[in-house]
Amino acid sequence: KNEVEQSPQNLTAQEGEFITINCSYSVGISALHWLQQHPGGGIVSLFMLSSGKKKHGRLIATINIQEKHSSLHITASHPRDSAVYICAEAPGAQKLVFGQGTRLTINP
Amino acid sequence: NAGVTQTPKFQVLKTGQSMTLQCAQDMNHNSMYWYRQDPGMGLRLIYYSASEGTTDKGEVPNGYNVSRLNKREFSLRLESAAPSQTSVYFCASSEAQPFRGYTFGSGTRLTVV
Repeated sequence: KNEVEQSPQNLTAQEGEFITINCSYSVGISALHWLQQHPGGGIVSLFMLSSGKKKHGRLIATINIQEKHSSLHITASHPRDSAVYICAEAPGAQKLVFGQGTRLTINP
Repeated sequence: NAGVTQTPKFQVLKTGQSMTLQCAQDMNHNSMYWYRQDPGMGLRLIYYSASEGTTDKGEVPNGYNVSRLNKREFSLRLESAAPSQTSVYFCASSEAQPFRGYTFGSGTRLTVV
């Protein structure tokens, strides 16, 4: 059974702090996805990666295929980064299997 | 610029009532999906449609039916709503190949009382 585990489940930090959210998965995958769910509920894709590292603005996603582990980092965090961050694995059948999400709150 | 459109955004049903959640995409995607999201749990797949004319069960299909009306539209029907179906429902679509992830609708918050 595909399982995706995220940690922590909840994270509160002060503006400016460096944020790390972790994701572990159980089976071989074709890609690992990171998504952001805004407080209003909408879900948008942030990254899709199958190796190495990707960067977009202050967000960085890394993956270690051998260890079946991925991290999402946010540098210089800002209150507008407050959201639920979700990782999902794509085991190869055009369907995503989702983690339970990490609720991030950045206080000013 | 519509992407994936879901209707309605909110709905309250009484136990035993039926309703259909509508989903339409304008990105010419082949694959469409219905997920439910419950507190403390990840998004769980209810049904999906890999292409027009095909549908398959996901992880939690009981109590639901779907129709892939055409390439654009994929509807989810609750025949006899139960309180356990209180949830937020998301429709999504994707290209089949290459698979680059989903485009999500804005969600439907359903409460069954």
